[in-house]
Amino acid sequence: NAGVTQTPKFQVLKTGQSMTLQCAQDMNHNSMYWYRQDPGMGLRLIYYSASEGTTDKGEVPNGYNVSRLNKREFSLRLESAAPSQTSVYFCASKGAGGLNTGELFFGEGSRLTVL
Amino acid sequence: AQRVTQPEKLLSVFKGAPVELKCNYSYSGSPELFWYVQYSRQRLQLLLRHISRESIKGFTADLNKGETSFHLKKPFAQEEDSAMYYCALRNKLVFGAGTILRVKS
Repeated sequence: NAGVTQTPKFQVLKTGQSMTLQCAQDMNHNSMYWYRQDPGMGLRLIYYSASEGTTDKGEVPNGYNVSRLNKREFSLRLESAAPSQTSVYFCASKGAGGLNTGELFFGEGSRLTVL
Repeated sequence: AQRVTQPEKLLSVFKGAPVELKCNYSYSGSPELFWYVQYSRQRLQLLLRHISRESIKGFTADLNKGETSFHLKKPFAQEEDSAMYYCALRNKLVFGAGTILRVKS
């Protein structure tokens, strides 16, 4: 019973490099989210996808792109990493209809360091 | 603007003491508020939601629309309560900055 799975768990990048964070959920949830967690800032929403085929910007989308590949997978891409993107990234999902209790289910997080 | 404010970054209490983690929100509509908890080396998980008016692990939280607050309370803290706590406004997927609770023996 995996729930929400994120890869990689740790990554070190140099400024200007690109990378993609992968996220998959096996709960048949419609909505998926990417947050970043920074000390003193809490969790801030980067992008979300309310359903397969749709994506929307959150509070801090600059420097990121996302792809909702299918219902299970939602990836986050950094095209040209900057030190300000050093953070812990969390993927989350939420059900719809009868599955929608409003609860977000989170992955374990991906710690990204940009040098 | 929609906002969730948790004024304390760190709350340190002794085992057996009462705990109150503060949360204030700013939202023009009818709010739906949650508390999430992140224990050490575990993923973030839902603790409780105001709609269900439940008590989880001894914690309760009451929505006070007049004071726009949703404070988390527990009468007697336990060491296993040590964790990071986030207040969240479901309507706009907004989280507060979080409060670290440390319960000392």
